[in-house]
Amino acid sequence: GIQVEQSPPDLILQEGANSTLRCNFSDSVNNLQWFHQNPWGQLINLFYIPSGTKQNGRLSATTVATERYSLLYISSSQTTDSGVYFCAVERDFGNEKLTFGTGTRLTIIP
Amino acid sequence: GAVVSQHPSRVICKSGTSVKIECRSLDFQATTMFWYRQFPKQSLMLMATSNEGSKATYEQGVEKDKFLINHASLTLSTLTVTSAHPEDSSFYICSAPRGGGAETQYFGPGTRLLVL
Repeated sequence: GIQVEQSPPDLILQEGANSTLRCNFSDSVNNLQWFHQNPWGQLINLFYIPSGTKQNGRLSATTVATERYSLLYISSSQTTDSGVYFCAVERDFGNEKLTFGTGTRLTIIP
Repeated sequence: GAVVSQHPSRVICKSGTSVKIECRSLDFQATTMFWYRQFPKQSLMLMATSNEGSKATYEQGVEKDKFLINHASLTLSTLTVTSAHPEDSSFYICSAPRGGGAETQYFGPGTRLLVL
């Protein structure tokens, strides 16, 4: 099956810093999404981004489908950004099943 | 926005008992729902696809007789962990797509199961 690897696995930053999270996938995908899992376990959908670049406030994401990677940028980090960030890919068109990446645990220190 | 609820949010049970977890789509109908399992400090792993009106489909390695899934209506799917053992302790999360495409999937808040 498809492999989805994220880096770095852990990241500790001071409040106000910027960060880049990476997601590599081993095969072509129909869909890619970024999620934030908060400390209570709730998954929050950040971006649906099978290709190209999107921005939402302090967050932006870029997917280069031909090179099988996606990047999530977080600028001016806040403590509320802490949690685990997952990318997830839809393997086959239309079946809506998601394969989640290994995750990056982000800790923002005041 | 669309909301998916799960009940209970956490449950503690004795080894050998069965536990039922409910997943509800509150303001939309879902003919398909997905069940994931997440062990501590690990990623989410898809367990099965719940289909309204037909049998669930299970991912490779997931025991269908141990994890019973019933999609009782267009807004409710249940996961029953039968004869639970400590190794079944995990965080169980459901999701439901609204409309077409995975980009409209909504995730429940999860259920923490601890088997003693």
